Amino acid sequence: SQQGEEDPQALSIQEGENATMNCSYKTSINNLQWYRQNSGRGLVHLILIRSNEREKHSGRLRVTLDTSKKSSSLLITASRAADTASYFCATDTGRRALTFGSGTRLQVQP
Amino acid sequence: NAGVTQTPKFQVLKTGQSMTLQCAQDMNHNSMYWYRQDPGMGLRLIYYSASEGTTDKGEVPNGYNVSRLNKREFSLRLESAAPSQTSVYFCASTYTEAFFGQGTRLTVV
Repeated sequence: SQQGEEDPQALSIQEGENATMNCSYKTSINNLQWYRQNSGRGLVHLILIRSNEREKHSGRLRVTLDTSKKSSSLLITASRAADTASYFCATDTGRRALTFGSGTRLQVQP
Repeated sequence: NAGVTQTPKFQVLKTGQSMTLQCAQDMNHNSMYWYRQDPGMGLRLIYYSASEGTTDKGEVPNGYNVSRLNKREFSLRLESAAPSQTSVYFCASTYTEAFFGQGTRLTVV
C-alpha cells in the first residue's frame, strides 16, 4: 500500500488563486518531499522538508509538516497556467527507497 | 550534465517477448531505482539498488529482474512480458532528492 496519500485527487482553480494539496502518511519519516510531473514527463523535485522542520518556503511554494498528524501540505500561491501538472508527495523513512503517493492533478485555468 | 538517461522511450512487445530497459546516471549517486507508474496508482517501486553490487526487491518485483552493472548503470529486464506489465517505467537515482529519467512507455499486446 502507498505510504503517502494525496488529497484531493484532482483540483481545478483559476489563474492567480492559491492551490493547496495535502499528503498523509503512515510511518515515521526522516523527510518528506514534493515532486511535480508534467504530462508525459519524469518527476521533478520541488522541495524537501525534514522531520524536525514545521514549515519551509521556496519561491511560491510553501510546505508544512505535522509529524504528530503524519501529514503535510503543499501550497502554491498565485498559481499560473504553467503550474498545471500532477504533484506527488514522497516519504523517506531511511529504510528503503522513497515511497510515493498517488498524486494530485492540478489544473490551472487561464 | 545529462542526469538520468533511460532508453528506449517507447516500446511495444508481444506477450512472452523479453526486453531490457537501460538506465544510466552521471551524478555519481549510489542509489538507483526502478518504478512503474499506472494511471491513478502513483509510482510503485519495482527494485532498488543502494550501491554498486547490491539489489533489493521493492513493492512489485514479480516478473522483473535487475542488474546493477556498475555505479552508473541499472537495467531492468522483463523475461516474458505480460499485458499486466503495460505501464510507464521510470528510473531514478538519489543522494537525498530523487532525479528521474524521462520514462519508458511500454505496451504489451
